[in-house]
Amino acid sequence: QVQLVESGGGLVKPGGSLRLSCAASGFTFSDYYMSWIRQAPGKGLEWVSYISSSGSTIYYADSVKGRFTISRDNAKNSLYLQMNSLRAEDTAVYYCARDTLFDYWGQGTLVTVSS
Amino acid sequence: QSALTQPPSVSGSPGQSVTISCTGTSSDVGSYNRVSWYQQPPGTAPKLMIYEVSNRPSGVPDRFSGSKSGNTASLTISGLQAEDEADYYCSSYTSSSTSPVVFGGGTKLTVL
Repeated sequence: QVQLVESGGGLVKPGGSLRLSCAASGFTFSDYYMSWIRQAPGKGLEWVSYISSSGSTIYYADSVKGRFTISRDNAKNSLYLQMNSLRAEDTAVYYCARDTLFDYWGQGTLVTVSS
Repeated sequence: QSALTQPPSVSGSPGQSVTISCTGTSSDVGSYNRVSWYQQPPGTAPKLMIYEVSNRPSGVPDRFSGSKSGNTASLTISGLQAEDEADYYCSSYTSSSTSPVVFGGGTKLTVL
């Protein structure tokens, strides 16, 4: 069965950096676009970024453009999100999801940006 | 890109039907059939319930149905059950060259 497991979240100071990972299993990872979506505490869903199956096509939400970098390693069945220049408003649970349909989601990893 | 507009809350009694609306613009909902709906019970990750306006993934009960008219998409849940109580979010593909996906603000469904 499809499984997505995020890791790498935690507490970081404003201006700091964090790298999230998403380990995929149960499907041919290299065949699918992959996405990051976040949810601030008590708030709705916000699409963050997605990357094509080969990594050649990437999109970012305006709110993270220039600060976040999405990448993938198809040999390791893994998706990544490098987050730099973090702000308080980046505090959220970060989910990885399969495809641009978001047909499967991980359980999420909490990122807290606070001094 | 502005979020799609959903009612903050809806409610219904067991066995009844409820409909949740999702209003966008001609740049998103009105132009594409890439509208999806997600269910998120408290403390859990979202789950895809409807994709491409009206298609159900395997395992989703046929009590859940989707439709679209103009710039507004709708999710209808018939024969409400207690376990349907959750937050529901719509999403749509958009024509924006920078942010190709937009979500609705979410609707809390309460089963009375």
